[in-house]
Amino acid sequence: EPEVTQTPSHQVTQMGQEVILRCVPISNHLYFYWYRQILGQKVEFLVSFYNNEISEKSEIFDDQFSVERPDGSNFTLKIRSTKLEDSAMYFCASRAKQPGQFRGYTFGSGTRLTVV
Amino acid sequence: AQSVTQLDSQVPVFEEAPVELRCNYSSSVSVYLFWYVQYPNQGLQLLLKYLSGSTLVKGINGFEAEFNKSQTSFHLRKPSVHISDTAEYFCAVSAPWFGNEKLTFGTGTRLTIIP
Repeated sequence: EPEVTQTPSHQVTQMGQEVILRCVPISNHLYFYWYRQILGQKVEFLVSFYNNEISEKSEIFDDQFSVERPDGSNFTLKIRSTKLEDSAMYFCASRAKQPGQFRGYTFGSGTRLTVV
Repeated sequence: AQSVTQLDSQVPVFEEAPVELRCNYSSSVSVYLFWYVQYPNQGLQLLLKYLSGSTLVKGINGFEAEFNKSQTSFHLRKPSVHISDTAEYFCAVSAPWFGNEKLTFGTGTRLTIIP
């Protein structure tokens, strides 16, 4: 079964540093998402991406965050200057383009980001 | 916009007993509904989904859920739980037909199986 792949599985970074979280969505999917889950809390939507642009973003997704699809396979989340409160599990997800082809959202296994 | 309420933050159940995890949603349009499971220190795994058709949906690991439009509910059930079912369970909703494609999650229910 096709998978969404996320790397790295765990990243530790110093406060103020830039981090890039990487995702390889399922190849024929065209909608991409980032979610985060602070330890012990609910899964929160960050951003959705379609046709090389952001289609929706949450209040969490401020100017410190950006997303990019640099090539035909990768989808990245960049945090420019990390804060302690950015420590969380970050999930990438993707889905097929049309509602008629919809089979659900496939999530990656996540990247645990620890800011120290 | 859609929202999801999971009424129980924690549910302890004896092994081999039945369980029901409750989920209610709010939406002004038709929705898709999902249950995800998260085992300790792991990612999100899809248990089952309701897109259309039969309101009783069967998923993996013996779980099933019933979509009830009049009560705006999508409760998750299993007739006999096992120790390995200990995990966090998240109900989620989306409405991609209406341009609201993102998944909105509930706060989760921690299922603890007592031997």
